[in-house]
Amino acid sequence: NAGVTQTPKFQVLKTGQSMTLQCAQDMNHNSMYWYRQDPGMGLRLIYYSASEGTTDKGEVPNGYNVSRLNKREFSLRLESAAPSQTSVYFCATTLQGNNSPLHFGNGTRLTVT
Amino acid sequence: GESVGLHLPTLSVQEGDNSIINCAYSNSASDYFIWYKQESGKGPQFIIDIRSNMDKRQGQRVTVLLNKTVKHLSLQIAATQPGDSAVYFCAEPGSGYALNFGKGTSLLVTP
Repeated sequence: NAGVTQTPKFQVLKTGQSMTLQCAQDMNHNSMYWYRQDPGMGLRLIYYSASEGTTDKGEVPNGYNVSRLNKREFSLRLESAAPSQTSVYFCATTLQGNNSPLHFGNGTRLTVT
Repeated sequence: GESVGLHLPTLSVQEGDNSIINCAYSNSASDYFIWYKQESGKGPQFIIDIRSNMDKRQGQRVTVLLNKTVKHLSLQIAATQPGDSAVYFCAEPGSGYALNFGKGTSLLVTP
């Protein structure tokens, strides 16, 4: 039982490159989220998927796209990376919505040069 | 807009002492609060939660207190251990399906 698994753990990109961050969960949760964490800014919601087949923007969606591939997997794509997207990205899940605890993965540390 | 905040950015306690981490919230309609612990290099880990129909909830060595009158939340850790050193966040539901997180308090446990 791995919980929430994120890949890769680390990534360095050059400005303009693209990449997809992967997230998979084995908790049978319905809702999945992508957050970014920056020093002094706390955790900010990028996108979420309330249930399979739906996605919605969070607080900071610009420059990102998401895909809820199935109930288990929720990916985050950077089409053209920018230095401002240097951050630690966390995937999280809840059984349903935001009235139950989020369970987080261990993050992807992304540097854009 | 509504926000979740923390009174103290850093807290240093001696091993064995009790720790209290505070959080002020501004949305009086919030009905659910969560505390997370984040160790270096890891994702936030759920510690304990409380709903607004309660004013106290206890877990293993942790207690969360909710004072709705002054919109204040606290996390008490009994007999603090070195493994408790981490950043602690409080969180409350935001708009839609979001959770709004505070900036965090760093707890340092000294021998």
